[in-house]
Amino acid sequence: NAGVTQTPKFQVLKTGQSMTLQCAQDMNHEYMSWYRQDPGMGLRLIHYSVGAGITDQGEVPNGYNVSRSTTEDFPLRLLSAAPSQTSVYFCASSYLGTGMGSPLHFGNGTRLTVT
Amino acid sequence: TQLLEQSPQFLSIQEGENLTVYCNSSSVFSSLQWYRQEPGEGPVLLVTVVTGGEVKKLKRLTFQFGDARKDSSLHITAAQPGDTGLYLCAGASNAGNMLTFGGGTRLMVKP
Repeated sequence: NAGVTQTPKFQVLKTGQSMTLQCAQDMNHEYMSWYRQDPGMGLRLIHYSVGAGITDQGEVPNGYNVSRSTTEDFPLRLLSAAPSQTSVYFCASSYLGTGMGSPLHFGNGTRLTVT
Repeated sequence: TQLLEQSPQFLSIQEGENLTVYCNSSSVFSSLQWYRQEPGEGPVLLVTVVTGGEVKKLKRLTFQFGDARKDSSLHITAAQPGDTGLYLCAGASNAGNMLTFGGGTRLMVKP
């Protein structure tokens, strides 16, 4: 059982480059989200989606785009990478929205370095 | 923006000792979750507490939700090296679909 799969596991970008972080889940979860984790700051929500075709901004959305064309996939796009986007990125899904107390299932993260 | 403060940030103890991690906010949450994260992996849910004053036990771990639903604590009895990891609390609001995480407590249990 795969759960939430993130690719790639590691990535190094130069400032100004673009890339897409992939996230796929096989649990038929409606809710998907992207977080970034920085030392001492816990996890901060970037964008989330409550279903295919619906996305919304989280706490730190600037510099990131998302789309949700299918229930399974929720890619995160960095249009022009900046050193401030160096972080570990986690994709997470849940059966119901987090306002219902539904637990999040996390992928194993993508470690991104922007030089 | 709702904020959750966790304390302590770091904790290094000997095997067999007891410890408590605190998660505090000025905001009211509809539910609060505790996660544990190991290096190179995503967080994994330990427990969800929903009712003010609720206490849940998971083997040697005891979780409590404050009466006013603004704070929570995690108590570990007789800690073991396998308890080593990053502990994160996260609060959910009825108002939306955003889960707010605390900054985490990094626990190291030495044999």
